[in-house]
Amino acid sequence: AQTVTQSQPEMSVQEAETVTLSCTYDTSENNYYLFWYKQPPSRQMILVIRQEAYKQQNATENRFSVNFQKAAKSFSLKISDSQLGDTAMYFCAFMNLPWDDKIIFGKGTRLHILP
Amino acid sequence: KAGVTQTPRYLIKTRGQQVTLSCSPISGHRSVSWYQQTPGQGLQFLFEYFSETQRNKGNFPGRFSGRQFSNSRSEMNVSTLELGDSALYLCASSQYPGQYNSPLHFGNGTRLTVT
Repeated sequence: AQTVTQSQPEMSVQEAETVTLSCTYDTSENNYYLFWYKQPPSRQMILVIRQEAYKQQNATENRFSVNFQKAAKSFSLKISDSQLGDTAMYFCAFMNLPWDDKIIFGKGTRLHILP
Repeated sequence: KAGVTQTPRYLIKTRGQQVTLSCSPISGHRSVSWYQQTPGQGLQFLFEYFSETQRNKGNFPGRFSGRQFSNSRSEMNVSTLELGDSALYLCASSQYPGQYNSPLHFGNGTRLTVT
């Protein structure tokens, strides 16, 4: 069974600093998708960034980038120039088969951006 | 374009009762999936519907059921409620399931409290 592990339950950083959230996953499949979702207090899950496993190049979206290490099954999220609005719960997530919207989520990392 | 709409936002029920939650996907989205979020178990996949057919089901008892209508709107039903069913229920929609270029869009969820 696929699993997603986020080893940091909670983190705090000062505004404008860079922070990295860790995620490891376990799968025997070769092709899959990985995601980072953000859940602010409004409860809505918002897609931050996504990565296709067969793509070697790390995905970037403005201040957000990932470090995807397929052999190590690691998928960390880096937030540069952190802002107060980045305060939220962050979930690492895994989607295995195509033609299927079943996502396996990690337990989440609560990130606090301090002024 | 309106986002994923879930109603009601809050619900309080008594043990043994049944409940129906509603989800209206983004216009043009044909896939709807449901997730249960609890502090202890995190986010867990319930089921997924595409074109009125259940395509995938998570590891939940038969008390949890759902359906999708021809307009892609979906309902989720929980019968014989238990205290452990208290959770945030999230609905997500996509244009086509499991497609990298068709990411999931989540609603704000329904907070169910069972007393």
